[in-house]
Amino acid sequence: DTGVSQNPRHKITKRGQNVTFRCDPISEHNRLYWYRQTLGQGPEFLTYFQNEAQLEKSRLLSDRFSAERPKGSFSTLEIQRTEQGDSAMYLCASSLGGEKLFFGSGTQLSVL
Amino acid sequence: AQSVTQLGSHVSVSEGALVLLRCNYSSSVPPYLFWYVQYPNQGLQLLLKYTSAATLVKGINDFEAEFKKSETSFHLTKPSAHMSDAAEYFCAVSKGGTASKLTFGTGTRLQVTL
Repeated sequence: DTGVSQNPRHKITKRGQNVTFRCDPISEHNRLYWYRQTLGQGPEFLTYFQNEAQLEKSRLLSDRFSAERPKGSFSTLEIQRTEQGDSAMYLCASSLGGEKLFFGSGTQLSVL
Repeated sequence: AQSVTQLGSHVSVSEGALVLLRCNYSSSVPPYLFWYVQYPNQGLQLLLKYTSAATLVKGINDFEAEFKKSETSFHLTKPSAHMSDAAEYFCAVSKGGTASKLTFGTGTRLQVTL
């Protein structure tokens, strides 16, 4: 059990560029979640997968955001045409059956 | 809709003193309630959870929380603070059944002084 791994740890990009983050969950965890955390706030739910199926998406997830989990293992979160308001920590978590979430260390996105 | 409110964005205690971090919830259905801790540059770690069994829940590192329906509260306590407890603490609520979609509070930063 190596924990939830997120890459990269930090990403700096210019406004309008596309970025992609990767999350590798704990092996055999069937659920994978994405959250976003801004300074001084708690994490906000974005979306979650059970195996490869995306079961729920928050209204926070605009059309510029897309998440995939193609083989039910790792997941990617892509943000197109980034805006300064997208600057945040993007957290990934995984669980077995949804009981206890294990969080990764996050990807810190800075949009200049 | 469900929500949690954490009273006090910063709490400072002396080493060895009682830790009390406050959380009040709002939920239209019986809630599941959680406390998470976040150390710098690390992911959130579950301290304890309430899932409608015993109202007094014990977690890791001597933390505990009591579910009080009449007060809609789920405050986190620890009898004696340690320097290593300095971190950000988040209360969270979910609809029951699973922890799939957690709604977090804004967090309380705990400072422990000598």
